[in-house]
Amino acid sequence: GQSLEQPSEVTAVEGAIVQINCTYQTSGFYGLSWYQQHDGGAPTFLSYNALDGLEETGRFSSFLSRSDSYGYLLLQELQMKDSASYFCAVSHYSGGYQKVTFGIGTKLQVIP
Amino acid sequence: ETGVTQTPRHLVMGMTNKKSLKCEQHLGHNAMYWYKQSAKKPLELMFVYSLEERVENNSVPSRFSPECPNSSHLFLHLHTLQPEDSALYLCASSQETRARNEQFFGPGTRLTVL
Repeated sequence: GQSLEQPSEVTAVEGAIVQINCTYQTSGFYGLSWYQQHDGGAPTFLSYNALDGLEETGRFSSFLSRSDSYGYLLLQELQMKDSASYFCAVSHYSGGYQKVTFGIGTKLQVIP
Repeated sequence: ETGVTQTPRHLVMGMTNKKSLKCEQHLGHNAMYWYKQSAKKPLELMFVYSLEERVENNSVPSRFSPECPNSSHLFLHLHTLQPEDSALYLCASSQETRARNEQFFGPGTRLTVL
């Protein structure tokens, strides 16, 4: 089966940098995605890594190490609006089709 | 309408009621999903439809019954639910042939079972 581990909660100061780690176990691995969900809202896609290394999109960056089954999401210049839950998710091949399995989510609180 | 829409946004029902959740996607995707989101639990995949054919059930109780009449519409029929079924039910769609399989979520239906 698939399993993902990420911290349940993280608190960081406005303007700072925060890193949210994710480790996973899966077969048929394609890549690692990150989603953001604000309270009362729907999850929205942030990034996807299929190859080792760092992908940068504005203030957000995502990293993957396939050999370590590990990735992280890096948020820079934190803003209050970044307070949300962040989910890592593995894309994998299972039962003849592609699917996405989500982690439990990390609740990020940005404080002044 | 754009993206993925869901109705109703909130639903309160008794354990003996029958109700249906509706999802519609306007993205031209070929796969649709139902997820259950409960507090302090990962998003739980309930059903997957690929090209209008159900490909995953994920051991969901029979009191949840999905229907996918075409590639744009997905329903979740509910009957004789239990209080522990109270949760946020999210619909999503994706273009399954893309390796990253990015999920586009609707706003969800907040379900309360009394």
